[in-house]
Amino acid sequence: EDQVTQSPEALRLQEGESSSLNCSYTVSGLRGLFWYRQDPGKGPEFLFTLYSAGEEKEKERLKATLTKKESFLHITAPKPEDSATYLCAVQARGGSNYKLTFGKGTLLTVNP
Amino acid sequence: GAVVSQHPSWVICKSGTSVKIECRSLDFQATTMFWYRQFPKQSLMLMATSNEGSKATYEQGVEKDKFLINHASLTLSTLTVTSAHPEDSSFYICSAPLPPGLSLVKQYFGPGTRLTVT
Repeated sequence: EDQVTQSPEALRLQEGESSSLNCSYTVSGLRGLFWYRQDPGKGPEFLFTLYSAGEEKEKERLKATLTKKESFLHITAPKPEDSATYLCAVQARGGSNYKLTFGKGTLLTVNP
Repeated sequence: GAVVSQHPSWVICKSGTSVKIECRSLDFQATTMFWYRQFPKQSLMLMATSNEGSKATYEQGVEKDKFLINHASLTLSTLTVTSAHPEDSSFYICSAPLPPGLSLVKQYFGPGTRLTVT
């Protein structure tokens, strides 16, 4: 069974204080790993897709990296508007082409 | 970017009644859509896969007679919660992959529907 574990559950940062969120996964064969941002009472917003170990992607203050067992979402000099829940999900090879298995998320709060 | 809408954004219903939630892809066609449920501080849990022109596929443990799914067109899927009970109160989110037909695609999510059953 595919599993995704995110840590920490919650993270509180001061504006400008860089940090990383972790996503550990167990999957029979990884087709892709996804990062989403979710604001309260809203649906998830797509951030990144990573396909293979060693891959990195960046968007503004966010950078996602992938190894064979985990992914990191690095946040550089965060701003209050980066406050949200960050979700990690994996898609496995075989079975349903589109099924995503999500972690519980990391609630990030950035204080001004 | 691709847009997926849901209606209503929130609904309150009485125990024993049924409620319908709509999911629309606004600027693309979706032969497949997905329905998730999210409880507070929990993961999104896939409930079912909605297939245009055929029966929905339900995840283990999800009652297909309680959660009726109809994929009426290439841009519309509906989820009907029948005989709702307070334990069905949750945040229901749909998603659609873009573009359809590829094995690894982005999934775009709707804004969600908050269901409260009293």
